[in-house]
Amino acid sequence: DGGITQSPKYLFRKEGQNVTLSCEQNLNHDAMYWYRQDPGQGLRLIYYSQIVNDFQKGDIAEGYSVSREKKESFPLTVTSAQKNPTAFYLCASSGRSYNSPLHFGNGTRLTVT
Amino acid sequence: AQTVTQSQPEMSVQEAETVTLSCTYDTSESDYYLFWYKQPPSRQMILVIRQEAYKQQNATENRFSVNFQKAAKSFSLKISDSQLGDAAMYFCAYVGSFRASGTYKYIFGTGTRLKVLA
Repeated sequence: DGGITQSPKYLFRKEGQNVTLSCEQNLNHDAMYWYRQDPGQGLRLIYYSQIVNDFQKGDIAEGYSVSREKKESFPLTVTSAQKNPTAFYLCASSGRSYNSPLHFGNGTRLTVT
Repeated sequence: AQTVTQSQPEMSVQEAETVTLSCTYDTSESDYYLFWYKQPPSRQMILVIRQEAYKQQNATENRFSVNFQKAAKSFSLKISDSQLGDAAMYFCAYVGSFRASGTYKYIFGTGTRLKVLA
């Protein structure tokens, strides 16, 4: 079955360390997205990519970085510059058309202490 | 800029009853799509229903239906015969066509937590 795989489900890191969250999709979707979810704030867009080797900043890109070397993969790195990294992170993908709904992974809960 | 507002942080409904979740949005575009997503305790985001702005007919998916009022920029979700499994966070989302950049940005509301009482 096609879908989006995020790993790991839970991630713990010490403050000051960079950490990379994995996102892989086999839906053959062009577009991929990273969202951050905090209580009471809904989903906020971190980065998105419409094609390989190209990506754009979302609303809260500071302290994050991404790469899109393959169509299937869109890893997110949370750097030490991110002031409040503890959150739930969701990866999503969609088809080429703007009426294509987002398909989501199961998310990664990152805790930084 | 487009915005999506869900003014009900939390709602409750008795099992087998009907509940309506509200969503309003602001946009100057004429062509766009609206979605409702469900996020149960597992935190998996699940598409519930979608509506194209050009279609006047309200979308329906089994027990879920929408009341789409384009002029009022309102997109409410009605859940009929509520079941315990409907308990979740519900997010309203908007996506329009950004032709200049060719990229599409989904905008989400802050969500409504639905509790279903047995």
